Amino acid sequence: TQLLEQSPQFLSIQEGENLTVYCNSSSVFSSLQWYRQEPGEGPVLLVTVVTGGEVKKLKRLTFQFGDARKDSSLHITAAQTGDTGLYLCAGSEGGYGGSQGNLIFGKGTKLSVKP
Amino acid sequence: NAGVMQNPRHLVRRRGQEARLRCSPVKGHSHVYWYRQLPEEGLKFMVYLQKENIIDESGMPKERFSAEFPKEGPSILRIQQVVRGDSAAYFCASSPQSRDHSSYEQYFGPGTRLTVT
Repeated sequence: TQLLEQSPQFLSIQEGENLTVYCNSSSVFSSLQWYRQEPGEGPVLLVTVVTGGEVKKLKRLTFQFGDARKDSSLHITAAQTGDTGLYLCAGSEGGYGGSQGNLIFGKGTKLSVKP
Repeated sequence: NAGVMQNPRHLVRRRGQEARLRCSPVKGHSHVYWYRQLPEEGLKFMVYLQKENIIDESGMPKERFSAEFPKEGPSILRIQQVVRGDSAAYFCASSPQSRDHSSYEQYFGPGTRLTVT
C-alpha cells in the first residue's frame, strides 16, 4: 500500500514569513497534485506535477516534484492570512483508459497565518 | 462553466435508513471518483466509475455500499442501512478523458456531510 506522509501536520506563522511543507513517500507516483481545502468545502486543485525534478510556480507558491517522483514540496513566500487552510498532497499510481485512477492522499498540513 | 456539483450538502439519517448522495461531474468529464473523509483523517478513495461502468471499487466496503454512473444523470453513491460509523464527508471528483496532463487532474465537489443519528 502506497502512503504519503505530510509534514508538518500543523504550522502557525506570522504574515510575511516563508514556509515549506513536505510530502514524502517510499513509492513512485506517476503524478502528484497539491490541493487546498477550506473547512466545510471540497479540496481545490492548486497544481499538478508530472516530471521528476519539475518545478512549478503559482504566484507566491512554488511546487517541486522530487527527481525520483517519490516526494514533493510546497514553498510559500511572504505568507498572507488568505493562505490559511489545509494543504493536501495526492499521488496517482497509474490510470485506466486515459485517466490516472484513484488518488492517494496525505493527511495534510494545517496552516494558520496570523496577521 | 459549472464545477462538480453534489447534493445534498448535508444529510441526516437515522441508523438503518438509506442515504443517497448525488454527484454531477464537470461538463464533458467522463470519469467520476468518490472519496470519504473521516474527522482528522485524510481522504480515502472509495470507487472510480466511467459512464455505465465501475472501473475500480477496491476502496468501497463490500456490504451496504454501491455506486453507479448511468448514461444519463448524475453519479449516485448509495449507502444502505446506515450506521454511526458511516458519518463522514463524502466527496465526488471528476476528470476528463484525455491523453495529456489534464487527465491526471481531479476536480472536487463541495461534498456531502452525512450524519447518522
